[in-house]
Amino acid sequence: AIWMTQSPSLLSASTGDRVTISCRMSQGISSYLAWYQQKPGKAPELLIYAASTLQSGVPSRFSGSGSGTDFTLTISCLQSEDFATYYCQQYYSFPFTFGPGTKVDIK
Amino acid sequence: QVQLQESGPGLVKPSETLSLTCAVSGYSISSGYYWGWIRQPPGKGLEWIGSIYHSGSTYYNPSLKSRVTISVDTSKNQFSLKLSSVTAADTAVYYCARVAPGGYYFDYWGQGTLVTVSS
Repeated sequence: AIWMTQSPSLLSASTGDRVTISCRMSQGISSYLAWYQQKPGKAPELLIYAASTLQSGVPSRFSGSGSGTDFTLTISCLQSEDFATYYCQQYYSFPFTFGPGTKVDIK
Repeated sequence: QVQLQESGPGLVKPSETLSLTCAVSGYSISSGYYWGWIRQPPGKGLEWIGSIYHSGSTYYNPSLKSRVTISVDTSKNQFSLKLSSVTAADTAVYYCARVAPGGYYFDYWGQGTLVTVSS
């Protein structure tokens, strides 16, 4: 199985900040990576797939980049509704696995 | 708009079988796509359990494969999860989701249902 790490595990930020979350793979996965946002008590929501393609309806302040083993999710101007936990997921190889998550909270 | 809704007992005794159903609306399962189950223990991360195609072909996470069965009922437009010999470690919120057409990520999710394993 492919192991994934995310950093940081906790990120304290203010509205208007630019924030960056990293996701690293134990082996290369080309661009087979998705990002999700999860708010407390809610199901995850798909933000980005294929490492950098924005899901329909997702605000353009979200962007993704990377390929191979290193990936980044960027929120260009943090809004109040963006305080949540973010997960990456690889779908390059079976079993499909999720990162441990990065919680973005209010500074 | 595709919608998914999980249902099933919220409390299961240790060593028994957990059974959940996911009802799909807004899309006919028999038209295609894979459908899956993902779980999340309280305060922890996400774990893919397995997925099924409308034809019935399945993929399971090897870590759970010996205990998992996923089935589909196209006449009711729903699919189901059975997890046998449960322990407290199986306590989690269980989500059903649709596998996206472009790859094995999940574009539509149910709201999730908490299943607690306890005597």
